Amino acid sequence: GQQLNQSPQSMFIQEGEDVSMNCTSSSIFNTWLWYKQDPGEGPVLLIALYKAGELTSNGRLTAQFGITRKDSFLNISASIPSDVGIYFCAGLIFGGSQGNLIFGKGTKLSVKP
Amino acid sequence: DGGITQSPKYLFRKEGQNVTLSCEQNLNHDAMYWYRQDPGQGLRLIYYSQIVNDFQKGDIAEGYSVSREKKESFPLTVTSAQKNPTAFYLCASKKSGTNQPQHFGDGTRLSIL
Repeated sequence: GQQLNQSPQSMFIQEGEDVSMNCTSSSIFNTWLWYKQDPGEGPVLLIALYKAGELTSNGRLTAQFGITRKDSFLNISASIPSDVGIYFCAGLIFGGSQGNLIFGKGTKLSVKP
Repeated sequence: DGGITQSPKYLFRKEGQNVTLSCEQNLNHDAMYWYRQDPGQGLRLIYYSQIVNDFQKGDIAEGYSVSREKKESFPLTVTSAQKNPTAFYLCASKKSGTNQPQHFGDGTRLSIL
């Protein structure tokens, strides 16, 4: 099946540092979504991207829809302890069926105070 | 408040038993989804429904069944045929329209007794 390669798998950073993670695929996407999941909870939508090249911010978070439409990245600036969690990318493949998302395996972020 | 409610939060299954996980949404969303999440894995699609009284198998439907008798409700039954049911189950819903993002409930953790 279709796959999204999300990296890194995990990150251990100091509070105040910036974070960058990305998702790549061999397929073309027409939507990219970034979610955050806290332990024992459901994923929460952070940012949605709909156009190639689109750069969107949500507070300290910034995400971009890659120009090739095959990748996306998420940056977190000046990390704080509550940024801890698992970040998932998800995408809708161009021409894919019925709005079904494909998910990356997640980036687990740990922040040291 | 509008949202997606999953219940119970924790569920235990005995060998040979069927159990049903509840998912209710009051967002007036047309489409609903069930995912399975295992540690270190992305979300895998079990079943989805685009409209009342219709549903489709996802990537890992074997051992599961669903119904969609009402727009608000999409219960998932984990049958005795599912030999490895221990996982975190997530329900999601979205508005009609291919590019609309999915929104998630807070999940049900199912364990074997």
